[in-house]
Amino acid sequence: EAGVTQSPTHLIKTRGQQATLRCSPISGHTSVYWYQQALGLGLQFLLWYDEGEERNRGNFPPRFSGRQFPNYSSELNVNALELEDSALYLCASSSGQGNQPQHFGDGTRLSIL
Amino acid sequence: SQQGEEDPQALSIQEGENATMNCSYKTSINNLQWYRQNSGRGLVHLILIRSNEREKHSGRLRVTLDTSKKSSSLLITASRAADTASYFCATGGGNKLTFGTGTQLKVEL
Repeated sequence: EAGVTQSPTHLIKTRGQQATLRCSPISGHTSVYWYQQALGLGLQFLLWYDEGEERNRGNFPPRFSGRQFPNYSSELNVNALELEDSALYLCASSSGQGNQPQHFGDGTRLSIL
Repeated sequence: SQQGEEDPQALSIQEGENATMNCSYKTSINNLQWYRQNSGRGLVHLILIRSNEREKHSGRLRVTLDTSKKSSSLLITASRAADTASYFCATGGGNKLTFGTGTQLKVEL
């Protein structure tokens, strides 16, 4: 069974640009989660999508947005990039039912120059 | 924001020794999970313990949960160099996960 896959592995952008990160969940999983792991800030919840709808959002500005497609894959878009957006962005998926673990991809390393 | 704190922040042991790391959390929970992260990579799910469970085993891993003290511990027995990683506890589940600050474990040969 294929795990959660994320692309690209690395992404280099400059301030003010826009970044798009992609995630494919484990087959059969309907929920996709996005987390940011920035140096010194730990793992922070960004967004949760389930059945194509945004279900919950962390404490991030509106320039962080995303969507979930009918095949349950997801995109995270970050507009007007700032230096502090440099981080490892992790995607996870789960079956969406309570008490089920989230399974993570290897992440996209976003570097802002 | 971080749900909890992990203790110690860093731990260095010799191969074959046991490693114990602790996690404290702030709010009531349905379950608590432990994850491992190898340097710069994604998180690997290790074990989930429900709030009505006190202890759970998986291979060389033993997790305890004390909901009265809002704390959990992860014990890795007979550690190996390959266990070198950061370990995180997380609360939540079907909705979002809130992670602890993590323990960096180094297992030396």
